[in-house]
Amino acid sequence: QVQLHQSGPGLVKPSQTLSLTCDISGDSVSNTFATWNWIRQSSSRGLEWLGRTYYRSKWYFDYASSVKSRINITPDTSRNQLSLELRSVTPEDTAVYYCARETGAPATAILDYWGQGSLVAVSS
Amino acid sequence: QSALTQPPSASGSPGQSVTISCTGTSSDVGGYDYVSWFQQNPGKAPKLMIYEVTKRPSGVPDRFSGSKSGNTASLTVSGLQAEDEADYYCISYAGSYNYVIFGGGTKLTVL
Repeated sequence: QVQLHQSGPGLVKPSQTLSLTCDISGDSVSNTFATWNWIRQSSSRGLEWLGRTYYRSKWYFDYASSVKSRINITPDTSRNQLSLELRSVTPEDTAVYYCARETGAPATAILDYWGQGSLVAVSS
Repeated sequence: QSALTQPPSASGSPGQSVTISCTGTSSDVGGYDYVSWFQQNPGKAPKLMIYEVTKRPSGVPDRFSGSKSGNTASLTVSGLQAEDEADYYCISYAGSYNYVIFGGGTKLTVL
């Protein structure tokens, strides 16, 4: 059974970096038939896909244009986890953040396993 | 890309059927058979209910079905039950750069 467990601070100051980690059990971040995604949800923006990483003989990264200049998603094979960094945050980045596994090719939208969600508030 | 268009709300009585629409363009919903639907209960993560327009993951009741016509995908819930009351979201492959886009969500109320 695949389980994704998220961790990270719930409060970040404006202009600083939001950092979250997603621990993967029951699967591997290097699985060549999956991609690993970060998605957020806020009342103002709804559900918003932020980006993904996946391994197909090498690591690939896809990022949403809305955050492309500020985001990094990093796989850690030794710890079997996925991390998110979002730099220069503003109050508009306040949201519940989810990690999620996508089965199959990238962007097939088969997001079959999700983390529990992490509420991150951006406030001074 | 703009979000896919869903009605903000839908409702039905127990036992009835309700259909939720998800309208995009020929660059997303209409161009590919990569549309999924999620059910979300308050405080919980979304749960995959339908993928590739019509397929149901193991464990999802067959009361849930998906379809697509042109640029509009639909989720139909037949034989409504009280437990079906939740928010429902669609998502679609959006073509270039491996993007996916979500719908704005529909709150389903079982009367």
